[in-house]
Amino acid sequence: DTEVTQTPKHLVMGMTNKKSLKCEQHMGHRAMYWYKQKAKKPPELMFVYSYEKLSINESVPSRFSPECPNSSLLNLHLHALQPEDSALYLCASSQAGRDRGETQYFGPGTRLLVL
Amino acid sequence: DAKTTQPNSMESNEEEPVHLPCNHSTISGTDYIHWYRQLPSQGPEYVIHGLTSNVNNRMASLAIAEDRKSSTLILHRATLRDAAVYYCILRGVYNTDKLIFGTGTRLQVFP
Repeated sequence: DTEVTQTPKHLVMGMTNKKSLKCEQHMGHRAMYWYKQKAKKPPELMFVYSYEKLSINESVPSRFSPECPNSSLLNLHLHALQPEDSALYLCASSQAGRDRGETQYFGPGTRLLVL
Repeated sequence: DAKTTQPNSMESNEEEPVHLPCNHSTISGTDYIHWYRQLPSQGPEYVIHGLTSNVNNRMASLAIAEDRKSSTLILHRATLRDAAVYYCILRGVYNTDKLIFGTGTRLQVFP
């Protein structure tokens, strides 16, 4: 099983709402990632978790709050977002995140619209 | 960080071979060359990677220049399903733990 699942597929939220994105993998991977992708642009890394600890935060605003409750789950908590945060949010996982030859497996993404 | 340069777009006819180029003139000796692709409305998917030697797998072949300053992803017989954005990505000691995507090449495949 090389699948990364993400829920929900689509999300519409207002600027005062609080919502969460969920990502799950059962490949035994110990590195998990959040990327943001605006329309017609490449994915941009937001956060990296390695062995359930946050190892990289690419200067992401605090209205995005990641959480890794266990080695299979990754959440992204959203609060007080702006319309410019509307994008496709991609989750990925890899074995350990420490090998330059390692493959990352991506989920299908959550398409977020902030009104 | 070493950078990659790819053409913005390329076209191919179905069942023809496709050669997708990538320039990486500032590559360092320990940088791996990875290729991912992103089909419409999907997340990126791994295609192939290599260090120095040419590589083959069920999806594609990767030809790496002798000086490693460029590489070419080869799809031997393009299908409509191969229409996607193809990203050439370098992974070195500075980004062992992350992928840094460039703008990629949008491949169109015509019946």
